[in-house]
Parts: sequence; structure tokens; C-alpha cells
Amino acid sequence: NAGVTQTPKFQVLKTGQSMTLQCAQDMNHEYMSWYRQDPGMGLRLIHYSVGAGITDQGEVPNGYNVSRSTTEDFPLRLLSAAPSQTSVYFCASRPDGSGANVLTFGAGSRLTVL
Amino acid sequence: AQSVTQLDSQVPVFEEAPVELRCNYSSSVSVYLFWYVQYPNQGLQLLLKYLSGSTLVKGINGFEAEFNKSQTSFHLRKPSVHISDTAEYFCAVSDRNTNAGKSTFGDGTTLTVKP
Repeated sequence: NAGVTQTPKFQVLKTGQSMTLQCAQDMNHEYMSWYRQDPGMGLRLIHYSVGAGITDQGEVPNGYNVSRSTTEDFPLRLLSAAPSQTSVYFCASRPDGSGANVLTFGAGSRLTVL
Repeated sequence: AQSVTQLDSQVPVFEEAPVELRCNYSSSVSVYLFWYVQYPNQGLQLLLKYLSGSTLVKGINGFEAEFNKSQTSFHLRKPSVHISDTAEYFCAVSDRNTNAGKSTFGDGTTLTVKP
């Protein structure tokens, strides 16, 4: 099925642990992005990429790293998890960088940091 | 810089009643406007979008929105809601003028439709 696939759906970490949230899309979209969703705060952009080898910071990048080695994949890395990173994370893609294009979202990854 | 303000965090309404979810935005550049819907435990999906042309846009499931440039608003309406419309609704804007148009979202409005 075409779309954006996120793994894992749920994850519990201890403070200081590291992990990677995976995101893959099979629509040949150039633009990919990561958002976090917190109650009452909507979606906030963490990092985004306009193509393989190109990444940039969004609104809340601290504590997160990304890379884009292929068009299909855009993993989000937490190097040393903190309780403040407890959130639901969404990966979203669109055909290119134009803001006119609609974002296609994954189903989300719920992360709890103890 | 862009910002989006959704004026109501929660909107309870009875089934078959009309509803309006309000969205105001602020931006130093021209923007595209969107409404997305999020059903429980799912990702967001597009309801409708305004790119240009007629300021009244129609979307899926009977929703429509009107772009008001002077008021910098993009309110979402439905004349008669159903139980299945219960969800969280997000207003979003994207920059027109770059090839890396970041999307900025509002805080969301939870629509609860009661029988």
C-alpha cells in the first residue's frame, strides 16, 4: 500500500537511552518532515528534508538528529532521550518542497521517556 | 514568520447541528491554507485547501471553508454534523514563496458531536 510507514508505533525509553524512529515512503516524494504532537500545542516541525542529502532544522530541533541518504527514508534519531521528548511523532511527506502540495502523514509513533 | 491561531480548543455540538471552527493566521509572506482532520489514533488527512481563485472552497465529508484575506481568516464550516465527524481539526499554512515551504499548524480544535 502506498503511503508513509512509521515504526515503531509505540516505544518506552529510559532517560539517556538512544533510539531511532523510522520513516519510509514509497511515493517518490522529495520532501519529508518530522513533527511532534503534544496536547494543546498542535504539531511542531522538528526537521525536514527537500531531497536526498539535504536536511534542515524546523521549529524544535534540539535533541534530535536526521539524515536523508535515500529518497525513501528519513529516520529521526534521539541521541539521549529526555522526559520532555515524550510525545507522538509524525512523519509527513509531499511531492516536492512547494507549500501548495498536501502533506501525507504516517500513523504516528508514540514515545514515552521515563 | 507564520503563526496560526485556532480560536476554540474544544467545540461540542449536537448531531445535525451546524458547526464553525475558527482559524486566524499571521504571515509576512503569502501563504497557502489547509484544514486537516485527525481521527483517534490516526495520522492527519486533508479536508480541504485554498491555493487561489474562489475564496470558498469545498472539501470532503461536506465541509467547506472561506478564505478572508482582509480578516486573515480561514474558518471551517459544516451545515449538519454527524457523530462520525468527531475528531481533531487542524488549520495550517504554508509559505508560497520558497521551494521548501514549511507548514505551520494551529493547536487544533477538538470537535465532539453528541447524539
